[in-house]
Amino acid sequence: AQKITQTQPGMFVQEKEAVTLDCTYDTSDPSYGLFWYKQPSSGEMIFLIYQGSYDQQNATEGRYSLNFQKARKSANLVISASQLGDSAMYFCAMREDSSYKLIFGSGTRLLVRP
Amino acid sequence: DAGVIQSPRHEVTEMGQEVTLRCKPISGHDYLFWYRQTMMRGLELLIYFNNNVPIDDSGMPEDRFSAKMPNASFSTLKIQPSEPRDSAVYFCASRSTLFQNEQFFGPGTRLTVL
Repeated sequence: AQKITQTQPGMFVQEKEAVTLDCTYDTSDPSYGLFWYKQPSSGEMIFLIYQGSYDQQNATEGRYSLNFQKARKSANLVISASQLGDSAMYFCAMREDSSYKLIFGSGTRLLVRP
Repeated sequence: DAGVIQSPRHEVTEMGQEVTLRCKPISGHDYLFWYRQTMMRGLELLIYFNNNVPIDDSGMPEDRFSAKMPNASFSTLKIQPSEPRDSAVYFCASRSTLFQNEQFFGPGTRLTVL
């Protein structure tokens, strides 16, 4: 069963605008964590943000915020004030605390237009 | 800290040859993960270690793949014999039990099997 779903294979956004990348997940484990990684064309995987299943507030890291809706099992990434350097693949991932394994979605390719 | 170090960064070999990929985790991290990334299958977890002990190798595709972690600062992923379908980017990642919110990836090894 697909545990992490990213329904947007590709997206465009205008520079300086905000963009939301969608992620839904499926788990029966009450304790889990959700992650977002950025993979630029150079290939490295860059950790962006983390949200724990018991966290009361949405996680924020600079221009990145995670819109966590637990009942809907969604963990969307919001990038504010997009920059050209934000053009990359973005991966959502989940770790069930019972297994320690990080399971990745298929990714969303974001292109920022000047 | 130098981050997770992988070598080689690129490897081109012929079908049937043995390939060894190397990883040095971040000092102090007690978890080490090997992932494979392909266009068709995305990012897959192959195996992970905790305190140098293999915990889950259910993602290892077949007996041609083996992984070892002889000490806390070194791990290898070996493919013998290699096949063209093994061509992929192989990532090593590490994290600490103390800081479970982050998992850091190495730059990856791009393997091409001709």
